[in-house]
Amino acid sequence: QSALTQPASVSGSPGQSITISCTGTSSDVGGYNSVSWYQQHPGKAPKLMIYDVSNRPSGVSNRFSGSKSGNTASLTISGLQAEDEADYYCRSYTTSSTVVFGGGTKLTVL
Amino acid sequence: EVQLVQSGAEVKKPGESLKISCKGSGYSFPNSWIGWVRQMPGKGLEWMGSIYPDDSDTRYSPSFQGQVTISADKSISTAYLQWSSLKASDTAMYYCARPGIGCNSISCYFLHWGQGTLVTVAS
Repeated sequence: QSALTQPASVSGSPGQSITISCTGTSSDVGGYNSVSWYQQHPGKAPKLMIYDVSNRPSGVSNRFSGSKSGNTASLTISGLQAEDEADYYCRSYTTSSTVVFGGGTKLTVL
Repeated sequence: EVQLVQSGAEVKKPGESLKISCKGSGYSFPNSWIGWVRQMPGKGLEWMGSIYPDDSDTRYSPSFQGQVTISADKSISTAYLQWSSLKASDTAMYYCARPGIGCNSISCYFLHWGQGTLVTVAS
């Protein structure tokens, strides 16, 4: 199975909004609402930011939102803050009863 | 409070065997899928496989099938990841992770993560 496709990097200035895409196929992203997003700061374990496409876990800022259209899921961060600078990964369930991550996106806050 | 506590860092030589662990607490360990995720130095997250401790139902990523063995001992609430013959390319950080309470499918997101176990394989 191939990793989901994410842009290698995105950037934005404080206060702006950015969107990170996650493209798969009808066998993963397009076929299930089991898409989640993770934030990882250097040297730290990943942290769940969005689950089941658009749900936020308790404690995650409402500046983070998720959506999906067809085979592409998206994570949007509004009102960018310096602390949002991190790597972001999407994850999806697949028709093979397995799980696949995206390649990761490095977010730089300018 | 749900916690996943992993075993400590390991330094091994190529060809050696290794078994690392992940102990769960604060929830019903047998009744929740627990997964293993690899992160090679400077690289992204890779799902290796997951196990349902109650019946040991185990699923592997095709990339890791036959390369590692995932197991669990529900009597001590511990999941394991093992190698029979390590390679230098197995050098990585390994995380265990599980879903939120009440989400009991392999499709579920990873809410709780262990602190990671760094495995270094070098001659």
